Amino acid sequence: QQQVKQSPQSLIVQKGGISIINCAYENTAFDYFPWYQQFPGKGPALLIAIRPDVSEKKEGRFTISFNKSAKQFSLHIMDSQPGDSATYFCAASKGPGGGADGLTFGKGTHLIIQP
Amino acid sequence: IAGITQAPTSQILAAGRRMTLRCTQDMRHNAMYWYRQDLGLGLRLIHYSNTAGTTGKGEVPDGYSVSRANTDDFPLTLASAVPSQTSVYFCASSPELGTSGSVRTDTQYFGPGTRLTVL
Repeated sequence: QQQVKQSPQSLIVQKGGISIINCAYENTAFDYFPWYQQFPGKGPALLIAIRPDVSEKKEGRFTISFNKSAKQFSLHIMDSQPGDSATYFCAASKGPGGGADGLTFGKGTHLIIQP
Repeated sequence: IAGITQAPTSQILAAGRRMTLRCTQDMRHNAMYWYRQDLGLGLRLIHYSNTAGTTGKGEVPDGYSVSRANTDDFPLTLASAVPSQTSVYFCASSPELGTSGSVRTDTQYFGPGTRLTVL
């Protein structure tokens, strides 16, 4: 049973455009929702994270929108740049850091920003 | 430089052989984790350890074992490797839960990964 569903699998966006990646979760015990960015040959690195007590979190060009009632959250990348081309993973856990059960990841979105 | 190191970087292994993947962190994090990453499946948790001396099973623990003798090291052992264990393995660590109060620092930090091929 996949507890975190991520879409789309791949995404192509023109430079300067908005990239949007969506995730939905099933386990209502989740209370920590990070997004990770991964470049080829590297480990995932935290991009931005949110807890369900807020509906939006913005850091620079990256924004998480969170809808607790719909059990959905999304990543928006404003003014997308070629350097943003990477694989993005949403994740969830029952506590910050990963909790006792670790992070549950979505399957990833391969993002390509065309110059 | 603080962080997580993994060894080896890559390895080709014959089926049936024993293999230990090494992971060391110097951030004094209490919690450590092992994930495997497979194309189209994302990252899946193999085993975790909340503190030295304790370990737990994740989503896909079969065929793997771990130990946590001290805070810094968390080796992953494949007792008898099989081709389905061909994957990229990532070690991660995180601080004791909730100690900083920050969603940014209370998160998992990943190592560079080990690419393992079992033939």
